[in-house]
Amino acid sequence: DQQVKQNSPSLSVQEGRISILNCDYTNSMFDYFLWYKKYPAEGPTFLISISSIKDKNEDGRFTVFLNKSAKHLSLHIVPSQPGDSAVYFCAAIGRAAGNKLTFGGGTRVLVKP
Amino acid sequence: GAGVSQSPSNKVTEKGKDVELRCDPISGHTALYWYRQSLGQGLEFLIYFQGNSAPDKSGLPSDRFSAERTGGSVSTLTIQRTQQEDSAVYLCASSRGLIYGYTFGSGTRLTVV
Repeated sequence: DQQVKQNSPSLSVQEGRISILNCDYTNSMFDYFLWYKKYPAEGPTFLISISSIKDKNEDGRFTVFLNKSAKHLSLHIVPSQPGDSAVYFCAAIGRAAGNKLTFGGGTRVLVKP
Repeated sequence: GAGVSQSPSNKVTEKGKDVELRCDPISGHTALYWYRQSLGQGLEFLIYFQGNSAPDKSGLPSDRFSAERTGGSVSTLTIQRTQQEDSAVYLCASSRGLIYGYTFGSGTRLTVV
C-alpha cells in the first residue's frame, strides 16, 4: 500500500510562472514532511520541510503547504526557473510510523524557457 | 568526507552472481538508510540502521538481500544470486536526527544482464 502518493508523474510550466506539486498521504502517524529534488545521476537533495504542527513553511521561492485534515501537502515554486527542472519527491516520516522516510513516486518538472 | 560516498557508481553483473555495494556515511551521522529506485519508480525503502539498535529490515525484498554496518559507520549491501529485477539505482543516506532529513549519496547503478 502506498502511504505517500504523488498523482502527477509530470508537470510542464513556463519560466517565471508558478509550479504546484501535490502530495497525498494516508498514515496519520506521520509528523514531519519533506520535499526532495533529484537531478539525473545524482542523489536526492533536501529542499524544504514542514512539521505537522504547522500549515505553511516558506524558503525563498519555495513554499510548502500542509492540510492535515485532508492529508495533503503541496509545494509551490514561484517564480519557476529552468534550473528547477528535476524530479521532486514528497516524503513523510514519524516516530510512530517506523522512523524512516516514506517517499512518493516523484513528479518530473520541466520548466520551459 | 563532506558527503555520503557510495561505491561503485556503476556495476554490471551477470544474473546469478553476488554483488556488494558500499556506503560511507557522513561522519557522526548515527542513522543510515538504503533505498533503491527502479526505472521510472519512486524510492523504495530497504533497510535502516540506527546506532547500536537492531536494524529495521522490513523493506528488504527477499532473503537474497542483506546489509551490515560495521563499527557504526560504513555499510555494505549484499545481493546474492542477482536477478534482472534487481537492476536499479541503490541509494544510501545518512542522518543525524529525525527532523534533519537525510543526506543522500549519488547512488550505485546496478545492471543485471
